[in-house]
Amino acid sequence: EADIYQTPRYLVIGTGKKITLECSQTMGHDKMYWYQQDPGMELHLIHYSYGVNSTEKGDLSSESTVSRIRTEHFPLTLESARPSHTSQYLCASSEGGTKETQYFGPGTRLLVL
Amino acid sequence: SQQGEEDPQALSIQEGENATMNCSYKTSINNLQWYRQNSGRGLVHLILIRSNEREKHSGRLRVTLDTSKKSSSLLITASRAADTASYFCAFSGSARQLTFGSGTQLTVLP
Repeated sequence: EADIYQTPRYLVIGTGKKITLECSQTMGHDKMYWYQQDPGMELHLIHYSYGVNSTEKGDLSSESTVSRIRTEHFPLTLESARPSHTSQYLCASSEGGTKETQYFGPGTRLLVL
Repeated sequence: SQQGEEDPQALSIQEGENATMNCSYKTSINNLQWYRQNSGRGLVHLILIRSNEREKHSGRLRVTLDTSKKSSSLLITASRAADTASYFCAFSGSARQLTFGSGTQLTVLP
């Protein structure tokens, strides 16, 4: 098991609420990623970071935002949740350089009513 | 689409049989990786093959890469019920980010 954690594991919330999905890793990895995955479908990269104070948007447009104030922490925030945000969100990290294997957290299943 | 394509989408076999999954991509790659995902969980890295390699083994896993055909295959030999999961290929190009395939859902029947 990789040392990467996500909380909460499941979240059911009403439309319009602000939510933050937490992701932490204890491996000292520089690179961190957020993916969105609908059931039975492929993963889509929505945000990534190559280090502290570095964040970039991924291939899939997302209304969420991220921050990277500490190496080990990469939270994702939705200011106003909508039913279209219902999905599974997966956080991952990698060592960087030529080490491209990614280590994934268990995911957060989000349901917006 | 820059996404990889995998086939079959779903595969059901008996325990002890071999399972083969295929992945195709469209761009030049640095490496190709295979991941496994159990239902409702995160992904677990299985194996990485670099663009200058043609075949790689890890336990019951065998991966091949044909860069001329832009395709890869994952073979799981002597499958077990515990191998039941979704399997994703993911490839890395010049941007060094991973692009994931559409996945193959493998069911191994006891």
